[in-house]
Amino acid sequence: DTEVTQTPKHLVMGMTNKKSLKCEQHMGHRAMYWYKQKAKKPPELMFVYSYEKLSINESVPSRFSPECPNSSLLNLHLHALQPEDSALYLCASSQGSGNTIYFGEGSWLTVV
Amino acid sequence: GQNIDQPTEMTATEGAIVQINCTYQTSGFNGLFWYQQHAGEAPTFLSYNVLDGLEEKGRFSSFLSRSKGYSYLLLKELQMKDSASYLCAVTKPGGSYIPTFGRGTSLIVHP
Repeated sequence: DTEVTQTPKHLVMGMTNKKSLKCEQHMGHRAMYWYKQKAKKPPELMFVYSYEKLSINESVPSRFSPECPNSSLLNLHLHALQPEDSALYLCASSQGSGNTIYFGEGSWLTVV
Repeated sequence: GQNIDQPTEMTATEGAIVQINCTYQTSGFNGLFWYQQHAGEAPTFLSYNVLDGLEEKGRFSSFLSRSKGYSYLLLKELQMKDSASYLCAVTKPGGSYIPTFGRGTSLIVHP
């Protein structure tokens, strides 16, 4: 069972709002990822957590703040976003680095 | 740096065979993934090639030539539901083996 669950599926937020995207996996995977995907573009890596520690931050603006409360959960806290941040945000996990990455269904974010 | 190239769009007929190519130029190479992504959905894993050669999995096969920096995904007996974007992604050692995605190939299957 390769399942990564993301909530909410859709989120509309204002530029002054604070919201969070949530991701959960129960496959015992030790690496978790956030990707951002714009229409007709490939997924772009934002953050990687390995063994609950942030291992990669791809120069993402501080208005995006990741959090890994435990090995099964990954959050992305959003604050003061811009309309250009509207995109599909994909969470993914893998057994470890170099293993197959499995994606969740994504959270569609619209910033108004 | 990494340069991954795929055709932007391809069309094919139901029941036919289609080959989607991916070429890459990377500073180091570990393996190559293929993912399928239907519109509005998340990418789903299709294959992972590390060694040269062809790997077959049902109607889908993936080929890799490390010396040529080249891979292809072969889809046989095309079905309408195969209409999707196909993403090639390369991993390299010396760090975290995180895949970097090509821009994807939009495949349209028509009757």
